[in-house]
Amino acid sequence: DTAVSQTPKYLVTQMGNDKSIKCEQNLGHDTMYWYKQDSKKFLKIMFSYNNKELIINETVPNRFSPKSPDKAHLNLHINSLELGDSAVYFCASSQARQGGSYNEQFFGPGTRLTVL
Amino acid sequence: KQEVTQIPAALSVPEGENLVLNCSFTDSAIYNLQWFRQDPGKGLTSLLLIQSSQREQTSGRLNASLDKSSGRSTLYIAASQPGDSATYLCAVTDYKLSFGAGTTVTVRA
Repeated sequence: DTAVSQTPKYLVTQMGNDKSIKCEQNLGHDTMYWYKQDSKKFLKIMFSYNNKELIINETVPNRFSPKSPDKAHLNLHINSLELGDSAVYFCASSQARQGGSYNEQFFGPGTRLTVL
Repeated sequence: KQEVTQIPAALSVPEGENLVLNCSFTDSAIYNLQWFRQDPGKGLTSLLLIQSSQREQTSGRLNASLDKSSGRSTLYIAASQPGDSATYLCAVTDYKLSFGAGTTVTVRA
C-alpha cells in the first residue's frame, strides 16, 4: 500500500564510507525528488528526475549521485561520507504537468543517516 | 531566489481553540502552494494544495487561503485537537518546491 517507500529507514556509518539509499514509488508518477532535512529541520531539494532524466541539481557536492533506473525508482548514492552529511533524506514523487509546473508531491518516510 | 517564512515558529494552544498558521513567500511567480504536516521522526503528509489560480482550499477542519499578489498563505485549523500537534510546513512551487522552516504546534488537552 505504501505510496513512496525508502530503504533503509536508519543508516549509521563511518566517515569515508560509501552508502546508498533506495526509493520506490507505486503512484505512477513521472517525477521523483531527493530532499535533505538538516538538524534545524530545514528541508531543501537536492535533485529532481523527470522520466529518468535529471532536471534539478541544487548545488549538491558531486559525492552525491542520484540514479534512476526507471520512472518508479530513484536511488541516492553517497561517496566518501562526511560528518556534515548526517541528516534525514526524503524521497518524494509527483506527476509533472504541462509547462513545467508540478502537482502535489508525496513524500516517503525518510532515511535518517548518521555519520560517525 | 524564493524565500519562504513561517510565523510563528512555535504555537501552543488549549484544545478546542482555532489555529492560524502564517506563511509568506518573496516571489509571487508560483505554480502552487502546498501545506504539509510532519510528525516527530516521520515523513511529510500533504494536507492541502492550492493552485496559483485558486484563492483557497478546504479539507475537513482545515482551510488554506492564498493571496499570491501579496505573497501570503494562511492555514486555519478549526477546533484543534491534541492529535493536531505536529510541525506544519508551507512550500511553494516555482521550478522547485521551496519550504519554510515550519510552525511547531502543541495542542494541550
